[in-house]
Amino acid sequence: ELKVEQNPLFLSMQEGKNYTIYCNYSTTSDRLYWYRQDPGKSLESLFVLLSNGAVKQEGRLMASLDTKARLSTLHITAAVHDLSATYFCAVGLIYALNFGKGTSLLVTP
Amino acid sequence: DSGVTQTPKHLITATGQRVTLRCSPRSGDLSVYWYQQSLDQGLQFLIQYYNGEERAKGNILERFSAQQFPDLHSELNLSSLELGDSALYFCASSYRGLNTEAFFGQGTRLTVV
Repeated sequence: ELKVEQNPLFLSMQEGKNYTIYCNYSTTSDRLYWYRQDPGKSLESLFVLLSNGAVKQEGRLMASLDTKARLSTLHITAAVHDLSATYFCAVGLIYALNFGKGTSLLVTP
Repeated sequence: DSGVTQTPKHLITATGQRVTLRCSPRSGDLSVYWYQQSLDQGLQFLIQYYNGEERAKGNILERFSAQQFPDLHSELNLSSLELGDSALYFCASSYRGLNTEAFFGQGTRLTVV
């Protein structure tokens, strides 16, 4: 059974600081997705990582994938309040996306 | 707006009842996925269809069933509802399988009372 573990599950950080969210998974896969969810809202696709060493950046967020270590990271640079949300990583296995429990991020002034 | 449409947005029903949730995928997408999101279980994969055929099953209860129609819209049927079935149900679609991005609808919030 594929396990997807995110840490931390809760993160409170000050504006302007940097931080990294980690996503570990237990089975070989070269498909890793990051989503953002605002409270009561849908999931918004942030990044699709489809190969070892893939790195993608959008604004203050950068995601990377190391398939050998079964690890993906989501790095936040100079956080701003608008980034407050829950971030999920999801691993593709056969036909399903398997989600981690999510990281609730709160950015404070 | 992801282009995936789910109806209804909210649904309140009594235990023991049956409901149908509907999903229209993005134009051109062949795959539809159903997920259940609850506080205690997180996001659970239920079932996937590709071009009308069931492709994968996850943690879907026997009381639940789904289908994808020739026009590619999908319905998730939930029967003999229990309080624990209260959750947010998401539909997602992608062009093919998981090598392409999956886009999520706004979800249907089901409350069983």
